Amino acid sequence: RKEVEQDPGPFNVPEGATVAFNCTYSNSASQSFFWYRQDCRKEPKLLMSVYSSGNEDGRFTAQLNRASQYISLLIRDSKLSDSATYLCVVNKAGNMLTFGGGTRLMVKP
Amino acid sequence: SAVISQKPSRDICQRGTSLTIQCQVDSQVTMMFWYRQQPGQSLTLIATANQGSEATYESGFVIDKFPISRPNLTFSTLTVSNMSPEDSSIYLCSVFLSGQGSYEQYFGPGTRLTVT
Repeated sequence: RKEVEQDPGPFNVPEGATVAFNCTYSNSASQSFFWYRQDCRKEPKLLMSVYSSGNEDGRFTAQLNRASQYISLLIRDSKLSDSATYLCVVNKAGNMLTFGGGTRLMVKP
Repeated sequence: SAVISQKPSRDICQRGTSLTIQCQVDSQVTMMFWYRQQPGQSLTLIATANQGSEATYESGFVIDKFPISRPNLTFSTLTVSNMSPEDSSIYLCSVFLSGQGSYEQYFGPGTRLTVT
């Protein structure tokens, strides 16, 4: 079993749609969780950290369920510019990160 | 935030040769990380490079194949030795910065390597 698992997609959605990505992790000792965004041929960039209480940043909402070892990302009112690969990332130990395989999102007009 | 540059940005190399990738950070950092992203895949950590000590390699990666230098707090190199086509990948340098209750890992733009 992979340490961090994601549905690779692609998710093809129309502009304005709401889309949700899920991620599961295997190490119950993991402490920190993140969503990164990676555009084609670019390096990953932090989208948002994921806190136990859940957190929201504009159109983006992240949730963490420690009991189920499950992380989610919700994107509301999708924009064309949201098209990218979304990486679920878990802190394995110290400052070392384990990346999921990524979920590809394509927002179409 | 951190600004990270990598050289070269891309290269095409023949099998059996070696390539050294440079990573420069605009601030002093204790730990630097080297990742590999193979075509269509996510990122895999190769090693952690600490200044003043030997790099720590992840399972499946060895020093003879991927020697790393870390001469100071702003610079590191990764060498891909005796290359084969399976080494074709993007290699990314990364640093971790923390402060004022938050922390973030920053990535360099990557070095796109093709081995023929």
